[in-house]
Amino acid sequence: QSVLTQPPSVSGAPGQGVTISCTGSDSNIGAPHDVHWYQQLPGTAPKLLIYGNNKRPSGVPDRFSGSKSDTSASLVITGLQAEDEADYYCQSYDSSMSGSVFGGGTKLTVL
Amino acid sequence: QLQLQESGPGLVKPSETLSLTCTVSGAPIRRSSYYWGWIRQTPGKGLEWIGSIHYSGNTYSNPSLKGRLTISVDMAKNQVSLRLSSVTAADTAVYYCGRHLAYNVGSVRGWFDPWGQGTLVTVSS
Repeated sequence: QSVLTQPPSVSGAPGQGVTISCTGSDSNIGAPHDVHWYQQLPGTAPKLLIYGNNKRPSGVPDRFSGSKSDTSASLVITGLQAEDEADYYCQSYDSSMSGSVFGGGTKLTVL
Repeated sequence: QLQLQESGPGLVKPSETLSLTCTVSGAPIRRSSYYWGWIRQTPGKGLEWIGSIHYSGNTYSNPSLKGRLTISVDMAKNQVSLRLSSVTAADTAVYYCGRHLAYNVGSVRGWFDPWGQGTLVTVSS
């Protein structure tokens, strides 16, 4: 069982938007510690998608955005494309263990 | 371009020690603002942070693995190593190494980028 809670799956049609939530607690997201997001395409390693709650690394389309409030964070993907079909993970720092914690992952299906 | 590559045995017997190496290319391990981390992924538990090390030797580890875990750096070879002792089937996973960009050297608050391609380790007799 992961420290951060994500929905197991979300889906959306091409062109639509989806939101993936990540819920933590006062020792991690609510501390407040930043939230980071990763995209894992089938058969590959996770790739950084969002860091510092809402910052995009170079090369990540602006269709991907992140936000954080209290003990939760969200990843929003707009204008869904077939290549967005992947697993998405949130990550933060947890003060009680002095280390990183991850969400259980959310599988995005593009219908 | 920074690249990381994990290597090591794909099969380890129960109760033995799992040993993996992460070879870093494109940048020296000896960068003050970087930690170098290990993360594993299992079908049942998703992603789990194992631990991270700074070139100075400062190390942070997942409390659930303390007592079994050793992480070290070899600056001459630009490598980071992981040793996990007394393994069981529960340690079967894909093991990744990643650059851990911490906000400051005094903690591992931060994110992982990039990641290596990962290596599958199976614990079985």
